[in-house]
Amino acid sequence: EVQLVESGGGLVQPGGSLRLSCAASGFNIRTAYMSWVRQAPGKGLEWVSVFYSDASTHYAESVKGRFIISRDNSKNMVSLQMNSLRVEDTAVYYCARDPVATAKIFDYWGQGTLVTVSS
Amino acid sequence: DIQMTQSPSTLSTSVGDRVIITCRASQSISTWLAWYQQKPGKAPNLLIYKASSLESGVPSRFSGSGSGTEFTLTITSLQPDDFATYYCQHYHDYPYTFGQGTKLEI
Repeated sequence: EVQLVESGGGLVQPGGSLRLSCAASGFNIRTAYMSWVRQAPGKGLEWVSVFYSDASTHYAESVKGRFIISRDNSKNMVSLQMNSLRVEDTAVYYCARDPVATAKIFDYWGQGTLVTVSS
Repeated sequence: DIQMTQSPSTLSTSVGDRVIITCRASQSISTWLAWYQQKPGKAPNLLIYKASSLESGVPSRFSGSGSGTEFTLTITSLQPDDFATYYCQHYHDYPYTFGQGTKLEI
């Protein structure tokens, strides 16, 4: 059974850093594209970043230069290092799987982890 | 970036109703469109991919159609479990973007 479990959220001051992790089970993350998607309180969904199966990456303009996505194959985990955090980064952060080999997109999501940026 | 516009934002409905939600893309995305259902405090759940393909396990009362820039999600005979917020999302190219959501209310 495919599962994604996020961790690492919490309260951080503006300008601070936080590292989120997404532990995958039931599949090998090297065979998928892994994305982070966030949702500000009471708002809609925003795609943030993707780690491709070939280890390349892509970011939304709103986080480019501040966030870094990475993958640990030995732990079957993807992470999001968030630096220079802003109040507007406050959101629930989800990791989601893009299975790639099919026409599907984001067929599995984690439960989400809340990041609050506030002084 | 491709902008996705959903309508309506809120829809007052009743059990048994037929519901149609519309999603418009700012440029052609072929059929690279997905629909999700989200309930409060939960992650989104994939309903439809490639504009009209039903995800495994999703009830057949959900269906999607469209191509290019105009898409619809139809729910026939609304059930109590269907009251939620629905999002469209394109995956034509990055950045993937979502519609603003449509909330179904009783």
